[in-house]
Amino acid sequence: NAGVTQTPKFRILKIGQSMTLQCTQDMNHNYMYWYRQDPGMGLKLIYYSVGAGITDKGEVPNGYNVSRSTTEDFPLRLELAAPSQTSVYFCASSSDLGNQPQHFGDGTRLSIL
Amino acid sequence: AQTVTQSQPEMSVQEAETVTLSCTYDTSESDYYLFWYKQPPSRQMILVIRQEAYKQQNATENRFSVNFQKAAKSFSLKISDSQLGDAAMYFCAYRSAAKTTNKLIFGTGTLLAVQP
Repeated sequence: NAGVTQTPKFRILKIGQSMTLQCTQDMNHNYMYWYRQDPGMGLKLIYYSVGAGITDKGEVPNGYNVSRSTTEDFPLRLELAAPSQTSVYFCASSSDLGNQPQHFGDGTRLSIL
Repeated sequence: AQTVTQSQPEMSVQEAETVTLSCTYDTSESDYYLFWYKQPPSRQMILVIRQEAYKQQNATENRFSVNFQKAAKSFSLKISDSQLGDAAMYFCAYRSAAKTTNKLIFGTGTLLAVQP
């Protein structure tokens, strides 16, 4: 079972560059999430989606964009990379059932230099 | 807004001993879910245990158990017979049962070291 797959695992960007972090899940989950984890901190929600075509902002959405054209995929776009976006990014998914946990990908370590 | 607080940035335990990690939360809701996630150096987020607020019985999963005190808004994790593989960052998380988004609110984590 693949679960939640994130690519790439590591990336270094220059300030002002753009990139897309890919996330796909094979569990047919409606709910998907993007988090960032800064050193020594917990995870903060960037964006989330409750189904294909529906996205909404989380706690820290500035500087990011998302789309959800299919149930499986939920890419995160950084348009103009800034040093403050250096972080580890996690994608997660969950079913509609409230007591079900979120399943996480392995994370993407992104450095902006 | 709900908040989750983990007041112990770091903890240490001897192998085979028992350790308890603290978590408190603030909410005005009566129905919610609580989770403990483990993050080893590999960076994966692994579910350790979950608790439904409407259940009075504390959840257990093998060597892991919780002490859920709803009135005190406390949700501590007890690890018995600690093993070297338990060394990791542990996150407590809250999720409302009322909202349809299933968003998690995380604490800042407790780094657990296991001494041989």
